[in-house]
Amino acid sequence: NAGVTQTPKFQVLKTGQSMTLQCAQDMNHEYMSWYRQDPGMGLRLIHYSVGAGITDQGEVPNGYNVSRSTTEDFPLRLLSAAPSQTSVYFCASREQGASGYTFGSGTRLTVV
Amino acid sequence: GEDVEQSLFLSVREGDSSVINCTYTDSSSTYLYWYKQEPGAGLQLLTYIFSNMDMKQDQRLTVLLNKKDKHLSLRIADTQTGDSAIYFCAESKGAAGNKLTFGGGTRVLVKP
Repeated sequence: NAGVTQTPKFQVLKTGQSMTLQCAQDMNHEYMSWYRQDPGMGLRLIHYSVGAGITDQGEVPNGYNVSRSTTEDFPLRLLSAAPSQTSVYFCASREQGASGYTFGSGTRLTVV
Repeated sequence: GEDVEQSLFLSVREGDSSVINCTYTDSSSTYLYWYKQEPGAGLQLLTYIFSNMDMKQDQRLTVLLNKKDKHLSLRIADTQTGDSAIYFCAESKGAAGNKLTFGGGTRVLVKP
C-alpha cells in the first residue's frame, strides 16, 4: 500500500491562478480530509468527506472547493489563488470506525 | 480562543522523561490524539485515548487524561534524539468523530 499520496510536493502560483491539489489513498478509507498548516496555528480543517459523493465544509473553507467522485480520490481546488493561501496542505484519510487518520506528506504552496 | 492549547517549546536531555501538556475545551470530544511531525514530513499518529479512559500506555509513551480539568498529557520515557519533533494534540468532533481540531504544536528539542 502506498497510503495517502499527495501531488505536487511543491507549487508556486501567481495571485489569481487556479490549481488542483491531488490526494489519493489506496486503503479503501471512507473518510478523507484536507487541512492547512500555518506556523504556530496547528492544522485547520478545510473540507472533509465521509464517502464518495459526500463532502462538507470545515473550519476554513473559503476559497477552496472539493469533490469526491471516487473513494480513492479527494482533490482540493483553489479557484483564484491569494497570498493568504500560502501554506502547507495535508490530506488525510481513515476508515469508518477507526481511531486515527493517516496523513499524506503534504504540498507546500506559495502564492506570490 | 483556541479550542486546543499547547505550550510552544520543550527542551529535554537525552535519557530523561518528556512531558507534553495539552488542554482542550470541548467536553464532548470522543477521542484525543497525539501526533508527531518531523521536519518536512506529514503527521504520524503516535497514540490516542478514548474519552472514557484515564490512562493509556504504549511502550515508551504514556497518555494521561483528566476529563474534569480537560487536560491531556503525553509522557515519553527515556527520550532519544530521534524524539526531537513537533508534537500535536488533537480532539475529534462531529457525529462520527471525523473532524479533528489540533493544538498549535509543541516543539521538542532533545539535547545529547
